[in-house]
Amino acid sequence: EAGVAQSPRYKIIEKRQSVAFWCNPISGHATLYWYQQILGQGPKLLIQFQNNGVVDDSQLPKDRFSAERLKGVDSTLKIQPAKLEDSAVYLCASSPGTGRGYIQYFGAGTRLSVL
Amino acid sequence: SQQGEEDPQALSIQEGENATMNCSYKTSINNLQWYRQNSGRGLVHLILIRSNEREKHSGRLRVTLDTSKKSSSLLITASRAADTASYFCATDRDSNYQLIWGAGTKLIIKP
Repeated sequence: EAGVAQSPRYKIIEKRQSVAFWCNPISGHATLYWYQQILGQGPKLLIQFQNNGVVDDSQLPKDRFSAERLKGVDSTLKIQPAKLEDSAVYLCASSPGTGRGYIQYFGAGTRLSVL
Repeated sequence: SQQGEEDPQALSIQEGENATMNCSYKTSINNLQWYRQNSGRGLVHLILIRSNEREKHSGRLRVTLDTSKKSSSLLITASRAADTASYFCATDRDSNYQLIWGAGTKLIIKP
């Protein structure tokens, strides 16, 4: 079974530039998550999709971050414009559903450096 | 906001020794999960323990849960160099199934 695919693995940009990350979840997984992980901290949920609908985006800085999940499969996360404090690893995860006891499967992440 | 807090923040032991990490949380939960993250990689699920369970085993891993103290521990027995990683606990709150993560324990196994 193929895992969660993310690209690119690394990205270096200057502040005020834009950047996009892509995620392909495990086939058949209805729920997709984007997390931000700052060095030395645990993951922080940015947005959760159930199929192609948004379940929770309460911690997504909507003035600069946007995300979509077309056709309930692949997803992209965009930052425009980037700030220095956006430097982090962006993790995508998927799970078969939402609810009690579901395990999340993570991609390798995209490490973003904003200069 | 973070629900779980791992203790210690960092742990360095000799290969073959046992490693114990602790997690404390604040609100009632449905489940508690432990994940491992190797340097530069994504997280990998290790074990899930439900709120009505007290102990669970998986290979060299042993997890305990004390809901009265709102705490859990992860024991790795007979540690190996490959166990070097950060370990995170994650809880899903009683009213919300989203995972809330701690800051992790960084484990280093010395050969």
